[in-house]
Amino acid sequence: SQQGEEDPQALSIQEGENATMNCSYKTSINNLQWYRQNSGRGLVHLILIRSNEREKHSGRLRVTLDTSKKSSSLLITASRAADTASYFCATAPNTDKLIFGTGTRLQVFP
Amino acid sequence: GAVVSQHPSRVICKSGTSVKIECRSLDFQATTMFWYRQFPKKSLMLMATSNEGSKATYEQGVEKDKFLINHASLTLSTLTVTSAHPEDSSFYICSARRPGTSGSYEQYFGPGTRLTVT
Repeated sequence: SQQGEEDPQALSIQEGENATMNCSYKTSINNLQWYRQNSGRGLVHLILIRSNEREKHSGRLRVTLDTSKKSSSLLITASRAADTASYFCATAPNTDKLIFGTGTRLQVFP
Repeated sequence: GAVVSQHPSRVICKSGTSVKIECRSLDFQATTMFWYRQFPKKSLMLMATSNEGSKATYEQGVEKDKFLINHASLTLSTLTVTSAHPEDSSFYICSARRPGTSGSYEQYFGPGTRLTVT
């Protein structure tokens, strides 16, 4: 399977703490994207990082990419209860399709 | 912009019947749409790539005769689960691809359809 792995599978933190999720993938990529999914809902695109980029910021989100290690991390700073969701990385080996990681279920307690 | 809808959001059907799920791009034209399947607390698995005006491309292990895909227009793709069985119960999500900036493509996801086969 080409599917990537994410760790941890589940993460529980208190509001205000930072949450870090890691993603490892198997193939070379054009870009890597992070998505959020609330329970039973569709996916919301959070951020895209290209293969020639190492770090990207968007609000409270910080994404890093290490293509030599085939890994990426998503950091959510100053987490809020509303950040509770599942987070998926998705790699784009080309422009045709996305391969999703296994996901991290984040629970933020108020 | 870039809104994708799915209909229905939930459907319950009996074993042996067929169910059609629609995926629409509401404010843009999508030559390519994707269908995913998601089991509870699991990741999304790509089932097939739907191209407007041509046959869908199915991923390995996905039965094309069971999961019929039709992409008849630039804003509509349909997935028909034929002769549904309880093991087909799942969350089905579609996405539509739109050209983004700098030559890249972005996928916009529908809200998903929960299929329960009894």
